[in-house]
Amino acid sequence: DAGVTQSPTHLIKTRGQQVTLRCSPKSGHDTVSWYQQALGQGPQFIFQYYEEEERQRGNFPDRFSGHQFPNYSSELNVNALLLGDSALYLCASSPEGGSYEQYFGPGTRLTVT
Amino acid sequence: AQSVSQHNHHVILSEAASLELGCNYSYGGTVNLFWYVQYPGQHLQLLLKYFSGDPLVKGIKGFEAEFIKSKFSFNLRKPSVQWSDTAEYFCAVNALNNAGNMLTFGGGTRLMVKP
Repeated sequence: DAGVTQSPTHLIKTRGQQVTLRCSPKSGHDTVSWYQQALGQGPQFIFQYYEEEERQRGNFPDRFSGHQFPNYSSELNVNALLLGDSALYLCASSPEGGSYEQYFGPGTRLTVT
Repeated sequence: AQSVSQHNHHVILSEAASLELGCNYSYGGTVNLFWYVQYPGQHLQLLLKYFSGDPLVKGIKGFEAEFIKSKFSFNLRKPSVQWSDTAEYFCAVNALNNAGNMLTFGGGTRLMVKP
């Protein structure tokens, strides 16, 4: 049973560019959340998708957007990249109506130069 | 909005020492509480969780945590640490008034266990 998978593993972008990160949830999970983990800090919630809709959103600007597909996989898009967007981006999945326990993927390390 | 505080940013212990990591949250309603661990080079893994019932919960690898509602605390303990417990530990809270199950994390505690 595959856990949460994310791609790519690492990514280097230039300020002002756009980036798309991808996530496949754990089998049987239909809810996907995205978190940003800056160096030396705890993860911060970006948003959560369920039934292809954004259900919850954290305190992130509109440059951060997402999408969920019918197979429950998800994308995180960040436009107009800033140096401060450099971080580890984590995807987590959970079953709807379940135990609220979230399973995390290995993350995508984004470096903005 | 809820917030989570972890008091110790760095902890260094010798093997066999006892461990207690503090976690306090600010939210007046019902919460689910979690401790996650991030071993070097690995992804976040769930150590233990509290939803309801017995406030003393046991997790994997000999860890336990106690929920004290009156103190808004959920401290993590282990009676005897091992070198393999070297990792970063995160406390997280899910407030149950939300439509989803977003987690609010503390800043983490980096634990180093000396052999």
